[in-house]
Amino acid sequence: ETGVTQTPRHLVMGMTNKKSLKCEQHLGHNAMYWYKQSAKKPLELMFVYSLEERVENNSVPSRFSPECPNSSHLFLHLHTLQPEDSALYLCASSQEPNRDVGSPLHFGNGTRLTVT
Amino acid sequence: GNSVTQMEGPVTLSEEAFLTINCTYTATGYPSLFWYVQYPGEGLQLLLKATKADDKGSNKGFEATYRKETTSFHLEKGSVQVSDSAVYFCALRDQGAQKLVFGQGTRLTINP
Repeated sequence: ETGVTQTPRHLVMGMTNKKSLKCEQHLGHNAMYWYKQSAKKPLELMFVYSLEERVENNSVPSRFSPECPNSSHLFLHLHTLQPEDSALYLCASSQEPNRDVGSPLHFGNGTRLTVT
Repeated sequence: GNSVTQMEGPVTLSEEAFLTINCTYTATGYPSLFWYVQYPGEGLQLLLKATKADDKGSNKGFEATYRKETTSFHLEKGSVQVSDSAVYFCALRDQGAQKLVFGQGTRLTINP
């Protein structure tokens, strides 16, 4: 039990589909993150929400759309993806860093996404 | 900008061998430093951390010391086990920054 739960664990979707990834944290944190992990590439930060406001968006294509309705839930809405978007998508949460500079990220187990 | 460089993998050792995984960083401020471990099919788990120079983080027999003079945070373990086989990530967070910057990861395999 990691305290951060991601669903689904695996997702296969066609390029014309629309799907959503869900993340829920039970740690009382107030910052949440989406990371993309591709084979043979460093972890890529996609989005950061702090106190439910998006504070960072690392030039992610618009076919990825995040949503953070409250401090415990984070979604990543997907539409018209490309095969190169196939990867492990990791959600994480932490205490807001300005309040605790050493606050680590707590990760979920990820959603393995395959775009066909 | 901030960055983290880890030694290239994969690393293969025999059980009970001594482990070192090198990590060096560049940062504009005074970052906190972290080591994460990722077991197959799972997300990243925090292994240890250090928040200021000369701090030593330790957990499960692993240690790393925050060396400001050499901008390093090398991971060590005196006697590795097969269950330590995983991918290890070094990371930093600069003061006041939201994002954690990760190294590329080092795959470790321990043979019995």
